[in-house]
Order: sequence, then C-alpha cells, then structure tokens
Amino acid sequence: EVQLVESGGGLVQPGGSLRLSCAASGFTFSSYWMHWVRQAPGKGLVWVSRIESDGRTTYVDSVKGRFTISRDNAKSTVYLQMNSLRAEDTAVYYCARAGVGLSAFDIWGQGTMVTVSS
Amino acid sequence: DIQMTQSPSSLSASVGDRVTITCRASQSIGSSLSWYQQKPGKAPELLIYTASSLQSGVPSRFSGSGSGTDFTLTISSLQPEDFAVYCCLQTYSLPYTFGQGTDLEIK
Repeated sequence: EVQLVESGGGLVQPGGSLRLSCAASGFTFSSYWMHWVRQAPGKGLVWVSRIESDGRTTYVDSVKGRFTISRDNAKSTVYLQMNSLRAEDTAVYYCARAGVGLSAFDIWGQGTMVTVSS
Repeated sequence: DIQMTQSPSSLSASVGDRVTITCRASQSIGSSLSWYQQKPGKAPELLIYTASSLQSGVPSRFSGSGSGTDFTLTISSLQPEDFAVYCCLQTYSLPYTFGQGTDLEIK
C-alpha cells in the first residue's frame, strides 16, 4: 500500500525547534518530489516547502531561513527541521507526494500537529 | 505570488443537486490546477489534476474544466459522502498556492 506517515509533532515554546518526519512506503521514494503543506486551525492549506528528487529545495517566504527540508532516500523519509518557531507556525503539517506528470499532490500523510505556545 | 480566489466560500446543497465551484488565478497558470476534497480531521484527497483529469478511483460525478485563469469543479449529482471542503491548488509557479476553500454543506 502506498502511504505516507508523519511523526514528530508536539508542543514547543516560541523560539524552539522541532523536526518532523514523513516515512514513505509502497513506492520508489527516490523518484518523487516531496512537499510539506500546513493548515492552521480552522484555516486553509498553505504550501510550505518542496524537495526535488536530486535534493534541490524551495520554501515559502514565511519559513525561509527557519525551516529546512531534507530527504533520506535510503530510509524513504522526508524531514522538516523547524527552528525559531513562532505562534503563527501552529498548524497541522502534512507531507505530500507530487505525482509524476500530474502537477498535483496525489498521496498525503495523515498530518502531525505542531503547537507553538508558552 | 499567484493568488487563487475561490468561490463561493460556502455552499448549501441537497443530495442529487449539481454544484459548481470556481477558482480564479491572478495570472495565467495554463492547466496547472488541481482540486482536493478534505473532510474534517482528515488529509486532503486529490480529485482532479491538470484542470480536467480525473484521479484514479474518484467517482465520475466529479469533473473539472478551465485553463488560463478560470477553473471550475463540478459535482453532477451530490451524494451524502460529498459534503466536505473543496480547494484548488496552482502548481504553475512557486510558491504554490491554494484557494481558500469552499465548505459544501447539506441543505
């Protein structure tokens, strides 16, 4: 079964750090671009970051310099290292697979909640 | 950044109704538009990609159309399981941007 499973969310104080993981299974992970998308409580979806198959990365402006996306193809896992966290980073974080040739996110994880609060 | 304006923001409809949701891009995005359904507490699910292609396993009552700046998602005959939030996503240029969502409720 093709699936993505996120972990690593939790409660963190402002200024703190957290690393999210997204473990993939059921497909050739190294061939796919992977994304992180977040959703603040009661709000819409916001694209956060992308990592291409060759490791090139892109970020939304609001997280540049604070978040780092990476991947370990041997472990079929994508990560999101989040530093200098702010209250406005509070959200459910989803990892998603970019379907080849689809220009869309065809597989999503279940999400992991990140709460930034003192 | 490309802005995606989705309308309506909410919609009340009945089982069997035909409904249409619209996304307008602030500039041309070709056909780089996808539609997602999200139910409470769940991850989004892909319905339509490249504006009009039906994702495998998605019922044929869902359809998409449009190109350039104006796009529509149509559900031909609403079923009880279709009441959810729908949103669009442009993947034409970075940063990718979503519409704000349409909450489809039971009348």
